[in-house]
Amino acid sequence: NAGVMQNPRHLVRRRGQEARLRCSPMKGHSHVYWYRQLPEEGLKFMVYLQKENIIDESGMPKERFSAEFPKEGPSILRIQQVVRGDSAAYFCASSPGGGYNQPQHFGDGTRLSIL
Amino acid sequence: DQQVKQNSPSLSVQEGRISILNCDYTNSMFDYFLWYKKYPAEGPTFLISISSIKDKNEDGRFTVFLNKSAKHLSLHIVPSQPGDSAVYFCAATNQAGTALIFGKGTTLSVSS
Repeated sequence: NAGVMQNPRHLVRRRGQEARLRCSPMKGHSHVYWYRQLPEEGLKFMVYLQKENIIDESGMPKERFSAEFPKEGPSILRIQQVVRGDSAAYFCASSPGGGYNQPQHFGDGTRLSIL
Repeated sequence: DQQVKQNSPSLSVQEGRISILNCDYTNSMFDYFLWYKKYPAEGPTFLISISSIKDKNEDGRFTVFLNKSAKHLSLHIVPSQPGDSAVYFCAATNQAGTALIFGKGTTLSVSS
């Protein structure tokens, strides 16, 4: 999975704190996607971003979650006032373009644990 | 409502034999399908894909078959190797969107 870099790999937060997950796409990729995986489940789409734009956020919870992909720097997935149910693995993927037939390449994920 | 289903949570195969992983989908608008392989504590790795205009795509030991009328696809791995032991995810998308819809995965164990 070289190329898409996610950090931190593990993040522990207490209920009510904020969690910030970072993703740097593969070189040459300008499209970023965030997915969440709960235990024993498949990955669930959250949000799709291009530089400075949110293209599709249909999978994002309406409250507490936000994402950005600034002109400079990594994409950030931000979870405010975390709750136990936010514990999951969060994966970022990137692709060179937004075409539906361009495979998305994934990072190794951030494991978020809420105490 | 699961749009992509992998009904076998696990599969055990001997080294050298064929592994067949199955996937069913319900949304007839899906027209691009992918298989990903995932090791523990790593992200999914893209394996192979197929467009709905084809019924077969082959890449080395991996072949994906698509049966649109049955809304079914399968991944064949031959010959299977111990290093193939991993969780395999089927995913689908369509031209209207870029979100991948994943199945729950099948854990493949290849014994030597």
